[in-house]
Amino acid sequence: AQSVSQHNHHVILSEAASLELGCNYSYGGTVNLFWYVQYPGQHLQLLLKYFSGDPLVKGIKGFEAEFIKSKFSFNLRKPSVQWSDTAEYFCAVSPGWGKLQFGAGTQVVVTP
Amino acid sequence: DAGVTQSPTHLIKTRGQQVTLRCSPKSGHDTVSWYQQALGQGPQFIFQYYEEEERQRGNFPDRFSGHQFPNYSSELNVNALLLGDSALYLCASSLSASGIREQFFGPGTRLTVL
Repeated sequence: AQSVSQHNHHVILSEAASLELGCNYSYGGTVNLFWYVQYPGQHLQLLLKYFSGDPLVKGIKGFEAEFIKSKFSFNLRKPSVQWSDTAEYFCAVSPGWGKLQFGAGTQVVVTP
Repeated sequence: DAGVTQSPTHLIKTRGQQVTLRCSPKSGHDTVSWYQQALGQGPQFIFQYYEEEERQRGNFPDRFSGHQFPNYSSELNVNALLLGDSALYLCASSLSASGIREQFFGPGTRLTVL
């Protein structure tokens, strides 16, 4: 069955620490990959996306993600987090034409 | 430029009732997708509308139906509500000409079924 797995449900870290969130998917064929973020009280926003080309993609607010095709992974990273990065992060996969399949999400809490 | 808007913000219904949720897409977008986000879970795809027709459908029963109007706005209807239908319902809009690669989400409608 097609699925998207996020490795951690909750992550707590201190400001200036590095963040890496894992995402694995099981899909045959070409997929589009996304990371969305949901800040407290706000709606889902796109952090970054991968369609093709350079497997290292950069998004907003200093986030980046690396697509490793052989591992069916699309991990999200940020070298140094801020308190304002506290949010829920969702990995999503689309096999095409807009149907997004989301992971369960990772709640990230950054402490001052 | 208005983003995706949804109404109402919150809704409380009882089991067996019917509900209609509304969505206006981002200006210039022609495709609307609906998602259900239960507490503690990621959004689940319900269906997608383009040119006033349902183009794709997720694993949801026929109690969930929708409509798209000529101005691209959309409605989600849920009949015979169950307690398990309590969730945040998200609308996302996109542009078909772009391959619907990027979707913009609205703030959602929080539905509580008692």
